[in-house]
Parts: sequence; C-alpha cells; structure tokens
Amino acid sequence: KAGVTQTPRYLIKTRGQQVTLSCSPISGHRSVSWYQQTPGQGLQFLFEYFSETQRNKGNFPGRFSGRQFSNSRSEMNVSTLELGDSALYLCASGDPGGEQYFGPGTRLTVT
Amino acid sequence: KQEVTQIPAALSVPEGENLVLNCSFTDSAIYNLQWFRQDPGKGLTSLLLIQSSQREQTSGRLNASLDKSSGRSTLYIAASQPGDSATYLCAVRGPGADGLTFGKGTHLIIQP
Repeated sequence: KAGVTQTPRYLIKTRGQQVTLSCSPISGHRSVSWYQQTPGQGLQFLFEYFSETQRNKGNFPGRFSGRQFSNSRSEMNVSTLELGDSALYLCASGDPGGEQYFGPGTRLTVT
Repeated sequence: KQEVTQIPAALSVPEGENLVLNCSFTDSAIYNLQWFRQDPGKGLTSLLLIQSSQREQTSGRLNASLDKSSGRSTLYIAASQPGDSATYLCAVRGPGADGLTFGKGTHLIIQP
C-alpha cells in the first residue's frame, strides 16, 4: 500500500505571494491533518479534514486554509506569505483506529 | 491546554545499550498516545500507538508503556543500534482534539 505523498517537496516563495501544497493520503483513509514544523515551535497542528469537512482547526491566522476533495486528497493554502511561514509542512493520514501516518513533508522557504 | 514534555532533550549512548525515553502530558483525558521517529529533514515514522485503555505496546525491540492517570509514557529501546539514531517524538490526542499535541522530542545518538 502506498504511503502518504506530498507535493511539491520543496518550494521557494517571496513574501506576499501565496502557495498551495498538496497531500494524498493512504488509500482508504478519510482523515487528513496538516502540521507545521519549525525549529523554535516544534510541531503545531494546523487543521484536520474528514470526508471533505474541516473537523478541527489549530491556532493559526486566517491566511492558512485548506480543503479536502471527494477522493480524500487535501490541499492547504497560505496567502500573503511572511518570512515566519518558512517551515516543514507535514500531512498526516489517519486510519480508523486513530493511528496517524505522516508524509515526507514540503519544505517551504519564504524569502 | 494539553502540554507534552519529553526528557531528556538529547541522549548519546554506545551501541548495544538498553535505553528509556520519557514523555509526560498534563491532561490525562487522552484518546491515545503515539510515538514517532524523525530522521533529519524527513517526515515522521509511526513507531507505536497506545490507546487510552491499553498499558503497553510492543514492536520488535521497542516497547512503549502508558500510565494515563499519572500522565506518563516511556519508550524502551532494547539493544540499541546506530540505525536507531533519530529524533523520537511523543504525541497525544484528546477530546475536542486540536489534532495531535507533540513534545519537542528526544534527539538520540547511538555511537558505533
């Protein structure tokens, strides 16, 4: 069974631009969560989707948004990028028992 | 608000030793606790998931225990190998869940 895939793996953007990251969960998993990882703050929860509905949202500004499609694939969007948005963005796919499986991440650098 | 603490922050031991990594959490009302490892620049690899009703889980040389009432979990690694070198992360999930709440991790180095 294929694991969680994330595209692109690396991105360099300029302040003020917007970016869209994509995540394909493990086949059959309907839950997708997103996390931001930085050296200072560690791993922080962004949002969780289940069957196309946002189930939970972390404490991030409205510039961070996401969605989930009917095939469970998910995208997250960050508008008006700031230098502090530079991070590793990780997507996790959840099985019915609650175990979370993470993808390789997208490394976003904002200059 | 749930807080997760991992001790020690870093650990370096010679190959072959048995070792214990510690995780504590402030709110005992959790659904489950999961241990992960992360290699530099990579995503997280799930090691063990313990449901709130369970006391321990084992996978190969790894054993994780959970004492929900005291807010503690330990990850025991037997006969450590250089390939075990990584950052080990503990995460809990609770009601009203804002996803997983992670500790800062234990950076483990196994010396050959």
